[in-house]
Amino acid sequence: DTGVSQNPRHKITKRGQNVTFRCDPISEHNRLYWYRQTLGQGPEFLTYFQNEAQLEKSRLLSDRFSAERPKGSFSTLEIQRTEQGDSAMYLCASSRSTGGLMNTEAFFGQGTRLTVV
Amino acid sequence: GEDVEQSLFLSVREGDSSVINCTYTDSSSTYLYWYKQEPGAGLQLLTYIFSNMDMKQDQRLTVLLNKKDKHLSLRIADTQTGDSAIYFCAESTDKLVFGAGTILRVKS
Repeated sequence: DTGVSQNPRHKITKRGQNVTFRCDPISEHNRLYWYRQTLGQGPEFLTYFQNEAQLEKSRLLSDRFSAERPKGSFSTLEIQRTEQGDSAMYLCASSRSTGGLMNTEAFFGQGTRLTVV
Repeated sequence: GEDVEQSLFLSVREGDSSVINCTYTDSSSTYLYWYKQEPGAGLQLLTYIFSNMDMKQDQRLTVLLNKKDKHLSLRIADTQTGDSAIYFCAESTDKLVFGAGTILRVKS
């Protein structure tokens, strides 16, 4: 396993367009997280899945954002009607957890850098 | 609520020790983490400590945890220019909550 993989690495889109990002977690990891990072800030939590169930969504995740993990493996994050304020690095992470708490390390992918022009 | 705070900037000379500090609010955190991020790169897990420990050493890295004060520190011994990066502290319960990061600058 080569770790958490994110595609594409970079995406430039025009305002108003829809974009979709993909994350492939480490294969034995049941937890998958999405974060957003803007310049000079730490990663901000967006949402996470345990297997295929989406367990929590941040207030940051407006109704233009949707995430899925249909078979409990890879996940997609879609942003509809993109705005310039959506420009950021979108990071995916995975971990193996039992019960409600994280009980192992979380490993991050390289991220997808979104630029909305 | 959950909140993690770090100092913004630290400058050290090559060969000196660096100490990066962090405070967190959630006393139910199970693990506390240190991640490193170099320019244009993703987050690299450096080390972590379980909440019932007070110290962990891993080669040049020493993590100290004061659970009573909710204070976490990362000490890097013999700091090298390659250690220049942003260091993020994070607490976890069901998810990671990050601080804003500390920029470490190492002067040769």
